[in-house]
Amino acid sequence: QVQLQESGPGLVKPSQTLSLTCTVSGDSISSGHYYWSWIRQPAGKGLEWIGHIYTSGSTNYNPSLKSRVTISVDTSKNQFSLRLSSVTAADTAVYYCARDVGGRYFDYWGQGTLATVSS
Amino acid sequence: EIVLTQSPGTLSLSPGERATLSCRTSQSVSSSYLAWYQQKPGQAPRLLIYGASSRATGIPDRFSGSGSGTDFSLTISRLEPEDFAVYYCQQYGSSPRTFGQGTKLEIK
Repeated sequence: QVQLQESGPGLVKPSQTLSLTCTVSGDSISSGHYYWSWIRQPAGKGLEWIGHIYTSGSTNYNPSLKSRVTISVDTSKNQFSLRLSSVTAADTAVYYCARDVGGRYFDYWGQGTLATVSS
Repeated sequence: EIVLTQSPGTLSLSPGERATLSCRTSQSVSSSYLAWYQQKPGQAPRLLIYGASSRATGIPDRFSGSGSGTDFSLTISRLEPEDFAVYYCQQYGSSPRTFGQGTKLEIK
């Protein structure tokens, strides 16, 4: 059973960096069979794909966030991480990590973690 | 980027009825690279359909997807109480991948 679990601070101050980690169980990131993505959802709104990473470390980001996003992977811990810099209130959202099938669709999701940007 | 427009915004139906949800894309989606997800309150989205018409593992056959080009639909043949949720379409034919704004399926 594949499971993903997000973790990280729930509160971030404006202009600071939001950092989240996704721990994967039931699958190995280093297997190379999948990409691994971050997706966010502001309260009451739709979904926005942030970016993905492959086991090799290669990444692809949404152009709307590219200048502020870094996704990294730690295969020894079977984790991948998101850093979003210079955050504002507009970055307040539930952040999901997901298993990404071939850079196409998302077949397993974490439960999501709420990150609030506020002073 | 490709914009996805879902309609209607809210659909009110009764258990046992048939539901048809629409997703229209601003540009043609290559190779029918479209997926559908179901999201219930407080939960993560769940993959229902990929490739416009292929059901994901474990998805009941009352869920079906169709369409090509710019017009896609999700049909639930006979609504069960657990089907009332928000449904999102997502295209993966062009980067960045984008989602529709969702259709809320509510009990009438």
